[in-house]
Amino acid sequence: DQQVKQNSPSLSVQEGRISILNCDYTNSMFDYFLWYKKYPAEGPTFLISISSIKDKNEDGRFTVFLNKSAKHLSLHIVPSQPGDSAVYFCAASGFNRDDKIIFGKGTRLHILP
Amino acid sequence: DTEVTQTPKHLVMGMTNKKSLKCEQHMGHRAMYWYKQKAKKPPELMFVYSYEKLSINESVPSRFSPECPNSSLLNLHLHALQPEDSALYLCASSREIPPTTEAFFGQGTRLTVV
Repeated sequence: DQQVKQNSPSLSVQEGRISILNCDYTNSMFDYFLWYKKYPAEGPTFLISISSIKDKNEDGRFTVFLNKSAKHLSLHIVPSQPGDSAVYFCAASGFNRDDKIIFGKGTRLHILP
Repeated sequence: DTEVTQTPKHLVMGMTNKKSLKCEQHMGHRAMYWYKQKAKKPPELMFVYSYEKLSINESVPSRFSPECPNSSLLNLHLHALQPEDSALYLCASSREIPPTTEAFFGQGTRLTVV
């Protein structure tokens, strides 16, 4: 049973436009959400996170929005740049000291010139 | 220093071999993790160490044996692996558990079992 779902395996966006990556979760005990970016043959790199007490967190070109009632979060990248082409993983961890980061399956983002 | 260093980067081993993967961080993080990632799949948690003690073992077969000699080092000892164990093995660390701060990942060890 997938607790963190990224339903779009891939996404193509024109350079300069906004990229929106979506993530849904099923476990209401999750209280911390993270986005990681991964290039081929490299480990994931942390991008941005959000606590469940917030609905928005912004860091430069990256903004994460959290809608707790819908159990949905999204990552916005504005403007999209060629170096943003990578696989993006949504991840979640729980308040119950579960010690785990649960990853979604990832969305491959292609930034088109 | 915000790096998690993993060695070796690539490893090819036979099914009867014994080898070890190494991971090192000097960020003072007290939680360290081993993940396994197959192609086009998300990372799967294997082990969590908290303050040098094993806190989570995700039902990993005994042919994988973790070790945390000190707060900066994490090893994964491999013995009698199967070809299906071929994957990218990722080490990560975080300041605390649960990981309410970001986990820093190493570049991974690409393991091929022949």
